[in-house]
Amino acid sequence: GAVVSQHPSRVICKSGTSVKIECRSLDFQATTMFWYRQFPKKSLMLMATSNEGSKATYEQGVEKDKFLINHASLTLSTLTVTSAHPEDSSFYICSARKLAGGETDTQYFGPGTRLTVL
Amino acid sequence: AQSVAQPEDQVNVAEGNPLTVKCTYSVSGNPYLFWYVQYPNRGLQFLLKYITGDNLVKGSYGFEAEFNKSQTSFHLKKPSALVSDSALYFCAVRDSGRDDKIIFGKGTRLHILP
Repeated sequence: GAVVSQHPSRVICKSGTSVKIECRSLDFQATTMFWYRQFPKKSLMLMATSNEGSKATYEQGVEKDKFLINHASLTLSTLTVTSAHPEDSSFYICSARKLAGGETDTQYFGPGTRLTVL
Repeated sequence: AQSVAQPEDQVNVAEGNPLTVKCTYSVSGNPYLFWYVQYPNRGLQFLLKYITGDNLVKGSYGFEAEFNKSQTSFHLKKPSALVSDSALYFCAVRDSGRDDKIIFGKGTRLHILP
């Protein structure tokens, strides 16, 4: 299998607070993990690519100081939205690519995290 | 730069009829092509991919897609639609000669009418 989990599935926070979202590959090691943002009725926007043990690569227009990414192990990446504001409200989805064991070309997606900032 | 187009925002099909969801792509190298499905408030589920080999690719839930190099297309098909196939479908492409990133189309909402 290739199961990716995200926690929490839903979070509501006050403006100005920070929120951490975890992405875990449950039954495989992931060489690379990706973080996407999806607006209502829109496609996925790639925010950043993270590799274990190195700094994340952010897409143009994504503030690295606001969206902190840590890829601490081959099975865990975290996205922290710092000083969240209502415009950060969105559906955040992570994905992971296998390190080995076949199907290394495919990204497997987590179930997503719905962030609402009041 | 790679890109992918899904020309239809929505496709309506009667249950039991064949369905097609269109996708065209543009890459500078050889394409890796993917289809994903998304149900409401859920992440994306992998359906199928084309990397190399046979142009007709079979995937999950009875879906298949045909890679057409001359038309730069990778349309998703199913011979007989089910109501449960109603969802949002994304086509995606990765340039095999470049980095890890895959680019998603804007998505096509598929409505299967009972």
